[in-house]
Amino acid sequence: IQMTQSPSSLSASVGDRVTITCRASQDISNDLAWHQQRPGQAPRLLIYGASTLQSGVPSRFSGSGSGTDFTLTISSLQPEDVAIYYCQKYHGGWTFGQGTKVEVK
Amino acid sequence: QVQLAESGGGVVQPGTSLRLSCAASGFIFSSYAMYWVRQAPGRGLEWVAVISFHGRDKFYIESEKGRFSISRDDAKNTLYLQMNSLRPEDTAIYYCARAPPSGPIDYWGQGTLVTVST
Repeated sequence: IQMTQSPSSLSASVGDRVTITCRASQDISNDLAWHQQRPGQAPRLLIYGASTLQSGVPSRFSGSGSGTDFTLTISSLQPEDVAIYYCQKYHGGWTFGQGTKVEVK
Repeated sequence: QVQLAESGGGVVQPGTSLRLSCAASGFIFSSYAMYWVRQAPGRGLEWVAVISFHGRDKFYIESEKGRFSISRDDAKNTLYLQMNSLRPEDTAIYYCARAPPSGPIDYWGQGTLVTVST
């Protein structure tokens, strides 16, 4: 199963709403996680089960979707959200998307 | 708190072997599946190997089958990755990560850098 993210990079202003999409090549139900990797750091889990926020993650992050199409939304972009975001299929295969780099204008 | 501490990385020559370790603490190690995920310089994340919580099931990325071997020692709360016949393209940061059974990776280590070069 292939995971394809879009866009590969984006630049937005502080306070903007940001949306990243992830498409699976086959139906993966809701076995989809989003990870954030800030510059020079290890990744961390943001969302699992396509829409469940991991403990401690700010509520401006949200996820949606099921089947093959998924979305990560940052409702109000903050400077500390500069990172690369990866979607990942889990449970019977563990493919990552290629990543989306988010920058602040 | 959950901690995953990788070690064993370094600079090695092509064709040699290396064993990475990941010391786990702050949780019941034997209850979690464990992963090795790598990131080549400037590239994205790539899962390399997974071992089930009981250790009976092991899965590898197709390109590394036969060269890499994942194992765990629950008595020592430690995960291992044995890497043989190393190639320059194996150069990467190798992360250890945990996942509940059938769940997503929920904690990552800080990674250990492996450089394969003459």
